[in-house]
Amino acid sequence: SYVLTQPPSVSVAPGQTARITCGGTNIGSKSVHWYQQKPGQAPVLVVYDDSDRPSGIPERFSGSNSGNTATLTISRVEAGDEADYYCQVWDSSSDHVFGTGTKVTVL
Amino acid sequence: QVQVVQSGSELKKPGASVKVSCKTSGYTFTRCALNWVRQAPGQGLEWMGWINTNTGNPTYAQGFTGRFVFSLDTSVSTAFLQISSLKAEDTAIYYCARGAEDAFYFDYWGQGTLVTVSS
Repeated sequence: SYVLTQPPSVSVAPGQTARITCGGTNIGSKSVHWYQQKPGQAPVLVVYDDSDRPSGIPERFSGSNSGNTATLTISRVEAGDEADYYCQVWDSSSDHVFGTGTKVTVL
Repeated sequence: QVQVVQSGSELKKPGASVKVSCKTSGYTFTRCALNWVRQAPGQGLEWMGWINTNTGNPTYAQGFTGRFVFSLDTSVSTAFLQISSLKAEDTAIYYCARGAEDAFYFDYWGQGTLVTVSS
């Protein structure tokens, strides 16, 4: 089955840039989607198809995908960005797969 | 506007069954698949499977066959998740998530339903 690996945690100071990676075999050939989940809330889609943003998601959220790593970048981090972030892909052998999740802490 | 609203929390004893509902509105029900996602306490997201809202055909992920059943009532734009022979390890939040039309991501999520299995 297809596996997506994320770092358990990322810490960033307000106003700085957070980068969250999502590793998978040849992930660059797949479309990667990212979700934000704040404590006690349902996940929210923040990036789809590698780098597109749903309406209402700030431009500070961006994505890229190449080779074996996809990256979600949060620019000018705010306290309200503190959350768990999950990557997700569809794989022909595994169907939908979520990454292990990354907790973003704003210092 | 699209809305996905799930039924409330459940407390069940081991061996019992539970049925969670997921009521949608604001779009044509049969145009988008509905997916189920489990989140055990303190854990990550786990995709359970999906149901084709056109045909009612369910697809279950590995580990979610046998005791888990997805169903629909298209007359009220609602999907259901039934879990039988409940075990303590079924304790989790269960989310319903709409699959974006002709795409492979989940664009709208229900608020989640906490199912607690305890004697």
